[in-house]
Amino acid sequence: NAGVMQNPRHLVRRRGQEARLRCSPMKGHSHVYWYRQLPEEGLKFMVYLQKENIIDESGMPKERFSAEFPKEGPSILRIQQVVRGDSAAYFCASSPNRQTGTEAFFGQGTRLTVV
Amino acid sequence: EDKVVQSPLSLVVHEGDTVTLNCSYEVTNFRSLLWYKQEKKAPTFLFMLTSSGIEKKSGRLSSILDKKELFSILNITATQTGDSAVYLCAVEVQGGTSYGKLTFGQGTILTVHP
Repeated sequence: NAGVMQNPRHLVRRRGQEARLRCSPMKGHSHVYWYRQLPEEGLKFMVYLQKENIIDESGMPKERFSAEFPKEGPSILRIQQVVRGDSAAYFCASSPNRQTGTEAFFGQGTRLTVV
Repeated sequence: EDKVVQSPLSLVVHEGDTVTLNCSYEVTNFRSLLWYKQEKKAPTFLFMLTSSGIEKKSGRLSSILDKKELFSILNITATQTGDSAVYLCAVEVQGGTSYGKLTFGQGTILTVHP
């Protein structure tokens, strides 16, 4: 799973700033899933993207959060006007097809701290 | 709403002990159940279960699924300190735009003392 690259690994933002989290899927993977892990909780699904398409964003907060997966380049999770409650670990997973199963690999995560 | 519940939430044992971790679920359009091990970084895949009653084994770890009673267990025998981690259970659903989406339980924190 070292093939899924997330950066930065740690990000500190002041309240009101923007946070941009990047995820480069494994080579050949065109499906990306973002998950958020709050302290003391399991991972919660946020959004599922394919190249240039948002397939399922049912787990995304309605405001301030957006995600994209352009034709070229990494997937980006963007959080505008961050608040303390956004502090969490954000994980990205990629798979070569729609069936996650054994073929989904997770990145190391980005730990966002809002001060 | 899809739901996955793990128990216990935390467990402390000594090396050599055997542990059983539980995962129950309520989801629509079940496809598979997965177990992951998380050690302060990326979850690493352990098992995927799709059929009831068929045990999956990998070394000292084994897991089984009961689709009638909607639960799975993960067993670790002869535990070692390196088994200390958070064990996550997740259910994969299928159908529509939710294909491939994982619903996770809150995890079981396992601590193995020497």
